[in-house]
Amino acid sequence: GQQLNQSPQSMFIQEGEDVSMNCTSSSIFNTWLWYKQDPGEGPVLLIALYKAGELTSNGRLTAQFGITRKDSFLNISASIPSDVGIYFCAGMEYGNKLVFGAGTILRVKS
Amino acid sequence: GAVVSQHPSRVICKSGTSVKIECRSLDFQATTMFWYRQFPKQSLMLMATSNEGSKATYEQGVEKDKFLINHASLTLSTLTVTSAHPEDSSFYICSASSGFQEFFGPGTRLTVL
Repeated sequence: GQQLNQSPQSMFIQEGEDVSMNCTSSSIFNTWLWYKQDPGEGPVLLIALYKAGELTSNGRLTAQFGITRKDSFLNISASIPSDVGIYFCAGMEYGNKLVFGAGTILRVKS
Repeated sequence: GAVVSQHPSRVICKSGTSVKIECRSLDFQATTMFWYRQFPKQSLMLMATSNEGSKATYEQGVEKDKFLINHASLTLSTLTVTSAHPEDSSFYICSASSGFQEFFGPGTRLTVL
C-alpha cells in the first residue's frame, strides 16, 4: 500500500521559533491533511489541502500541497507552549481512506 | 466543527472477555466510519472501513472475527474486541466521514490484563 514519509521525527525548539515539517509519498494523493494529536486524544484537523500547489493558512499554521501531489509541508510560526503535541500528515485515498505519516513530535521550551 | 464521541474512554478487562466500543457522530450523518488502532508513539493504522447497512471492509492483517464491527445507523458504529488478549491493548480511535472531511473521536484506551 501507499506510505507516507514524515520528517522530522521529533523537534525540540525554543518558544517563538518557527517550525517546519514535511511529508512525501511514493504515490499521488488528491487530498492532503494535517492533524495534531494531544496525548490520550484523537487527532484534530488543522488544515486540509485539495488542489496541487494550494497554499493554505490557519492562524499561525501554513501548509502547502506540492505541485506533484506527492508532498506537503506544514509550517508553524512563532511557536508557543500549547503547540506541543504530535503532528500527522495524511493522504486521502479512494473511498476517503486516510494513510497517515509516522508523526512529528513537537516539544517547545519556554 | 463536527463532533464525534467514543465510549468508553478507557476500559480495563480480563483476558478472554469481549469489549464493545461505541463511536457516534453527534451532529451529522456519517455514511462511512473508520476504525484505527494506535500503539504508543506510533501512527494511526486503519483497521477497517464501516459503511452503514453493509459489512465492514477490513485491512489486510486485521482479523474480522476478532474485531467485529457493526454500523447500525448513520450515527453509530461499534467495534467489539472479542476474546481480548494483552496484545490487543492499544488506543482505538474511530472517525466519521461527512463525505468531505473526516472527524476523529477522542479515542478509547483498552488495557487487557
